[in-house]
Amino acid sequence: SQQGEEDPQALSIQEGENATMNCSYKTSINNLQWYRQNSGRGLVHLILIRSNEREKHSGRLRVTLDTSKKSSSLLITASRAADTASYFCATDTGRRALTFGSGTRLQVQP
Amino acid sequence: KAGVTQTPRYLIKTRGQQVTLSCSPISGHRSVSWYQQTPGQGLQFLFEYFSETQRNKGNFPGRFSGRQFSNSRSEMNVSTLELGDSALYLCASSQGAGYGYTFGSGTRLTVV
Repeated sequence: SQQGEEDPQALSIQEGENATMNCSYKTSINNLQWYRQNSGRGLVHLILIRSNEREKHSGRLRVTLDTSKKSSSLLITASRAADTASYFCATDTGRRALTFGSGTRLQVQP
Repeated sequence: KAGVTQTPRYLIKTRGQQVTLSCSPISGHRSVSWYQQTPGQGLQFLFEYFSETQRNKGNFPGRFSGRQFSNSRSEMNVSTLELGDSALYLCASSQGAGYGYTFGSGTRLTVV
């Protein structure tokens, strides 16, 4: 079963705009990870944030984590057409089994 | 550094048959996990292996099994295939706890 939900389910923006995706989860976690998937291919790991961290940056990506609200957000700044993909959050409770959200489909219009 | 390699990429099987999927992790990664992705259920955890031992198993019937070899390569097997087993099967490897996973491109299984 899926740990949580992602919001929105789909997002369409213009190149250069920022894209924000939200993820909610249900149980205590060790870390939360974000992945990208292009057209039903394999998942690409984007960023991992530990439960004792509140914010993390990697290039154009910014992730926040609020453990009191059991939520996380992924911000992609200055989006490019190549960012078009599905984005998933995944929680790791320490049992070595990721639980994935339902995903956000991002479409970046050139 | 080579990525996670899954073979075959595509597979078509008939109901009732069995299938074996293969995964070669990144060199040095001893943890290998398997996930099933379907449009209806999304991404679901199947099992995780470390040093040839299954450490965790998801909520799947016993028809789904796996193993890991001494070189960390892993296989998963699905017996008595059902139409609902049609899915993208993803393998992932990791350095260990607290690290992200590197996924393979997946094996797309179609059961007819």
